[in-house]
Amino acid sequence: GNSVTQMEGPVTLSEEAFLTINCTYTATGYPSLFWYVQYPGEGLQLLLKATKADDKGSNKGFEATYRKETTSFHLEKGSVQVSDSAVYFCALSEPGGSYIPTFGRGTSLIVHP
Amino acid sequence: DAGVIQSPRHEVTEMGQEVTLRCKPISGHNSLFWYRQTMMRGLELLIYFNNNVPIDDSGMPEDRFSAKMPNASFSTLKIQPSEPRDSAVYFCASSPAGKGTREPQHFGDGTRLSIL
Repeated sequence: GNSVTQMEGPVTLSEEAFLTINCTYTATGYPSLFWYVQYPGEGLQLLLKATKADDKGSNKGFEATYRKETTSFHLEKGSVQVSDSAVYFCALSEPGGSYIPTFGRGTSLIVHP
Repeated sequence: DAGVIQSPRHEVTEMGQEVTLRCKPISGHNSLFWYRQTMMRGLELLIYFNNNVPIDDSGMPEDRFSAKMPNASFSTLKIQPSEPRDSAVYFCASSPAGKGTREPQHFGDGTRLSIL
């Protein structure tokens, strides 16, 4: 079956530091890949997505590149802000496969001033 | 555009009482998901509907839990009788496509349920 593995958190950074959150996946087909963000007290919301190999999703200064050869979709941001403190979920959805998306366990990011 | 709307936002009730959570998906979305989120177990899928029909309820923890989708714009998740271990945040999500989708899910803000 499909699976998504994220790095354990929490990740604690100072403001303006560089962020990487690792995500690797296994899938039987050719999935679409997503990063969701969950701010305190809110639901998950889509941050960015990529639908084919070498696609780069980007939003709000965050980027992730769909790497089929390494089955990875690592999330990066060059300079984090306190307001980026949240939980980040990597997920996949496989066209032609299960109806149900597969989520990672989430990685908590804490950014200090 | 209105997003996924859940009610109530918070619910506190005593053990043994019936709890009903409500969800209005985004208009035009034909897939609906109920999730439960806790610190210990993370995000768990409870049940998935497509075109108002339950497709996969393997995540429903036990017979105390039931879910319905009487029409395309409304779904309920019911717990009867409730127990303290049901305390969690319950999310509803919808998406515009069924099998084989490249579309993301859209989540509501959740219902924070506390069973005393």
